[in-house]
Amino acid sequence: DTAVSQTPKYLVTQMGNDKSIKCEQNLGHDTMYWYKQDSKKFLKIMFSYNNKELIINETVPNRFSPKSPDKAHLNLHINSLELGDSAVYFCASSQGARDTEAFFGQGTRLTVV
Amino acid sequence: GNSVTQMEGPVTLSEEAFLTINCTYTATGYPSLFWYVQYPGEGLQLLLKATKADDKGSNKGFEATYRKETTSFHLEKGSVQVSDSAVYFCALLRGGSYIPTFGRGTSLIVHP
Repeated sequence: DTAVSQTPKYLVTQMGNDKSIKCEQNLGHDTMYWYKQDSKKFLKIMFSYNNKELIINETVPNRFSPKSPDKAHLNLHINSLELGDSAVYFCASSQGARDTEAFFGQGTRLTVV
Repeated sequence: GNSVTQMEGPVTLSEEAFLTINCTYTATGYPSLFWYVQYPGEGLQLLLKATKADDKGSNKGFEATYRKETTSFHLEKGSVQVSDSAVYFCALLRGGSYIPTFGRGTSLIVHP
């Protein structure tokens, strides 16, 4: 059973399109995250969602929006895709407590052409 | 604010060599400290953790000790294998926050 699953694994799309990446966790965690990983492997937190509290990294363009239909899902919507959005996007979840680790999905490699 | 500093990579070693990847942190209070590993094409997974000063985390032959006096959590392994080739991330989680702070990652390449 996959703990945190994301779909799709690969996404190739044209500039200007709107796309979504889905994320589901079956761990019963209260907290979910979206990270962007660039070509140098740097991880940047984009959003975190904890008990209906959304924290947004202020550097993230408002073309990106998270949507959480329920506690087990946190989807990422991206409008008007740009070349610079090409990266690997990771969903993660955790219990949200100080001594607990985050569990990551396999990642979605987004390529904008 | 909170921050994690890791040594820049890549670190290139021969099989059976000794590994050290340095990690230092800045945080208020008493954070928990973590090492994650990312194998090619995969997501991050927890390698080990320590939640208080002088704790030692260990897993798969890797070890790291939480040193409050030097604000460090260096990762070590006595004898690396080719299969250890991956990117290693040091991270902290401060009490009262549920957003981990990650270092920039250190790539390890092990040659046969």
